[in-house]
Amino acid sequence: DVQMTQSPSTLSASVGDRVTITCRASQDIYTWLAWYQQKPGKAPNLLIYKTSALESGVPSRFSGSRSGTEFTLTISSLQPDDFATYYCHQYNSYSTYSFGQGTKLEI
Amino acid sequence: EGQLEESGGAPVQPGGSLRLSCAASGFSLSDYWMGWVRQAPGKGLEWVANLKQDGGEEYYVDSVKGRFTISRDNTRNSLHLQMRRLRVDDTAVYFCARLGFNSLGAFDIWGQGTTVPVSS
Repeated sequence: DVQMTQSPSTLSASVGDRVTITCRASQDIYTWLAWYQQKPGKAPNLLIYKTSALESGVPSRFSGSRSGTEFTLTISSLQPDDFATYYCHQYNSYSTYSFGQGTKLEI
Repeated sequence: EGQLEESGGAPVQPGGSLRLSCAASGFSLSDYWMGWVRQAPGKGLEWVANLKQDGGEEYYVDSVKGRFTISRDNTRNSLHLQMRRLRVDDTAVYFCARLGFNSLGAFDIWGQGTTVPVSS
């Protein structure tokens, strides 16, 4: 099974900052990586799929990239609405999906 | 664009059974792979199961294999999760989610979740 190691677990930042969150896959998942944002008491919301494709309606300050088995979510200029928990998700095969442990982005 | 709404969550004792349902609206369930994801209190997301459009392929995380069964009724636009031999560590909010076309398999629509507390 593919293990996803996400870091950091907590990230403190300020409005206007540029932040990056990283996920490393235990094996090659090609570009089958998504990122979600989750706010307390709510369902996750898809931000990025296939490593770098922005879901419809998601602001362009969110971007994704890949280097081998390491994937990065970047928020170019933090807005107040961005403080939430973020998860990476590998979906290389329908038979075995998995998520990273999550990154709580706090002020 | 489409919505999902889960139901069926309720307190249950260890060893008990429960059936969750997920009603889809605004799209045809029969066109999509569907899945269940859970989240234990204060913890991260855990994928539970996926099911193909025609029900011909189903996959599970190891911890629920042999205990949980994912199924669908495309005529009623509904998805189900039958849970048996429940354990305390199955306590979680259970989300149903759609594997999107445009997202090429990422979960693009989620329900609001239904809570399953397993406790004696």
